[in-house]
Amino acid sequence: RKEVEQDPGPFNVPEGATVAFNCTYSNSASQSFFWYRQDCRKEPKLLMSVYSSGNEDGRFTAQLNRASQYISLLIRDSKLSDSATYLCVVNNYLHYGGSQGNLIFGKGTKLSVKP
Amino acid sequence: ETGVTQTPRHLVMGMTNKKSLKCEQHLGHNAMYWYKQSAKKPLELMFVYSLEERVENNSVPSRFSPECPNSSHLFLHLHTLQPEDSALYLCASSQGTGNTEAFFGQGTRLTVV
Repeated sequence: RKEVEQDPGPFNVPEGATVAFNCTYSNSASQSFFWYRQDCRKEPKLLMSVYSSGNEDGRFTAQLNRASQYISLLIRDSKLSDSATYLCVVNNYLHYGGSQGNLIFGKGTKLSVKP
Repeated sequence: ETGVTQTPRHLVMGMTNKKSLKCEQHLGHNAMYWYKQSAKKPLELMFVYSLEERVENNSVPSRFSPECPNSSHLFLHLHTLQPEDSALYLCASSQGTGNTEAFFGQGTRLTVV
């Protein structure tokens, strides 16, 4: 099983649509979780961290289910500028009980928002 | 503008060449990373440096040799590469390595011919 798995897409949606991305991770000891965004031929940038209680930032809502080892990202009222690849990222500690982390990236889900 | 700067942005090299990639961060972070991004593959961690000490080397071939002379600079020395090493090489930095955001440079797009 891959460490972080995502639906590769592409997701082609009209402006204003609601779109949901799912992600599963294999290491039950994973400590922290993120969604990054990567525009075409650009570097990844943090979109939001994901907390167990769920968190929202404007049109974006992230959820974490530790029991199912599942992370989601919901984008409401999608804009043309949301077109990008969305990367699910999990931070595993390199050594048990240590503080050195290791970001594990999924392959990403490509989103294309059309007018 | 990113606080992590990589040079060069593009590099074409022959299999017998030796070249170096440079990364510089202006964020005061104490951890730096090299990642490789190939087409249709997830980002792969190559090296982690924390407080200038190499913490992790994910079984990267010896034709890739990292160097971290101080907490602001990171190099990746390349020699006798193969065409399959062609990829986008991304440098990142963070404050600590646990539960913190990583900031990426714009990457060096490497083509080995």
